[in-house]
Amino acid sequence: GDSVTQMEGPVTLSEEAFLTINCTYTATGYPSLFWYVQYPGEGLQLLLKATKADDKGSNKGFEATYRKETTSFHLEKGSVQVSDSAVYFCALSEWNTDKLIFGTGTRLQVFP
Amino acid sequence: DAGVIQSPRHEVTEMGQEVTLRCKPISGHDYLFWYRQTMMRGLELLIYFNNNVPIDDSGMPEDRFSAKMPNASFSTLKIQPSEPRDSAVYFCASSFRQGARASGANVLTFGAGSRLTVL
Repeated sequence: GDSVTQMEGPVTLSEEAFLTINCTYTATGYPSLFWYVQYPGEGLQLLLKATKADDKGSNKGFEATYRKETTSFHLEKGSVQVSDSAVYFCALSEWNTDKLIFGTGTRLQVFP
Repeated sequence: DAGVIQSPRHEVTEMGQEVTLRCKPISGHDYLFWYRQTMMRGLELLIYFNNNVPIDDSGMPEDRFSAKMPNASFSTLKIQPSEPRDSAVYFCASSFRQGARASGANVLTFGAGSRLTVL
């Protein structure tokens, strides 16, 4: 079945460092891909999305490109801030279903 | 809009007791999802509804779990009897797909969650 695999955390960075969180997926069709972020004590919030191959989603300095050839959707940010500390979830939704399938989440810790 | 509203935010109960979690989706949304989050299993989809009708309940762990959506503005997730292994954060989420999926991505808005502890 469809699945999402994320890199294990936690990822620990200093402020202004470059961030990459890897995400790969397995899907039978043509999924839409998402990154959600969860701040402590809160629900998940949509960070960005891409609906077809080569699309780039971006928001708040974060970017991810839908790579069909490598079945990947890696999250990047050029310069992280302490306020970016959170858990990041990669997710997919197949075109013929309404379900969102999540990865296990990657905790990011940014220190000043 | 106030977003997706869940209650209670925290619940501590004893094994064997009935637990009812509540969710009010965003007005106008036609999909409602219940997820469970644990350290061991991550985020699991339990059940989802479209226009108040359950579409897929394959993620419901066992018969002790039941969910209802009596109208477009309210849903419940009930556990009876509760067990310690049910301890988790339960999230409700809603979305608007307007029927046909077309090329649109189903973007979910999550509530803040209900943290359940079963002793």
